[in-house]
Amino acid sequence: DQQVKQNSPSLSVQEGRISILNCDYTNSMFDYFLWYKKYPAEGPTFLISISSIKDKNEDGRFTVFLNKSAKHLSLHIVPSQPGDSAVYFCAASAPLSGGNQFYFGTGTSLTVIP
Amino acid sequence: DAGVTQSPTHLIKTRGQQVTLRCSPKSGHDTVSWYQQALGQGPQFIFQYYEEEERQRGNFPDRFSGHQFPNYSSELNVNALLLGDSALYLCASSWGQSANTGELFFGEGSRLTVL
Repeated sequence: DQQVKQNSPSLSVQEGRISILNCDYTNSMFDYFLWYKKYPAEGPTFLISISSIKDKNEDGRFTVFLNKSAKHLSLHIVPSQPGDSAVYFCAASAPLSGGNQFYFGTGTSLTVIP
Repeated sequence: DAGVTQSPTHLIKTRGQQVTLRCSPKSGHDTVSWYQQALGQGPQFIFQYYEEEERQRGNFPDRFSGHQFPNYSSELNVNALLLGDSALYLCASSWGQSANTGELFFGEGSRLTVL
């Protein structure tokens, strides 16, 4: 049962343009969402997060939007750079799960074309 | 400041064998979680260790077991290996058991191939 879904396996964007990565979830108890970036042969690294009490969180070129009614979040990267080419995972956690049990999506491979 | 370190980075086993993977958490972290990432999938939670005890477990069989040592390092053991256990095993560390809002710091992973 995939509680966090990333329906786009891959995305290609021209350098300087906006990249939009999408994520859907099914568990209404999720209250915290994160995005991780993964380069080949490396572990995922934390990128940005958002609490369910917010609908937007911004950090430099990265902005995450949360639409609770639609159970949807998105990551916007503006402007996109070639170094952003990586696999992006969204993850979610629920308070009742305790600890750090995060549910991950299957990832979206972003390619930024110079 | 050393990050999360895992060993070995790659290993090959045959069906039915047993494997032990090791993880040292980031300095200052006391909680270790293990994730399995199969090819083309996202990481899946196996279990979490805090204060040397398994505190939470995902949907994995008892063949998967672990241990946390007093220095917070951890081991993941898998018995009676199956072909389907082939995956990247990621260790993630954090501070505090209940910090579900805390970001995880991942190691590079141990790539297990079962033949």
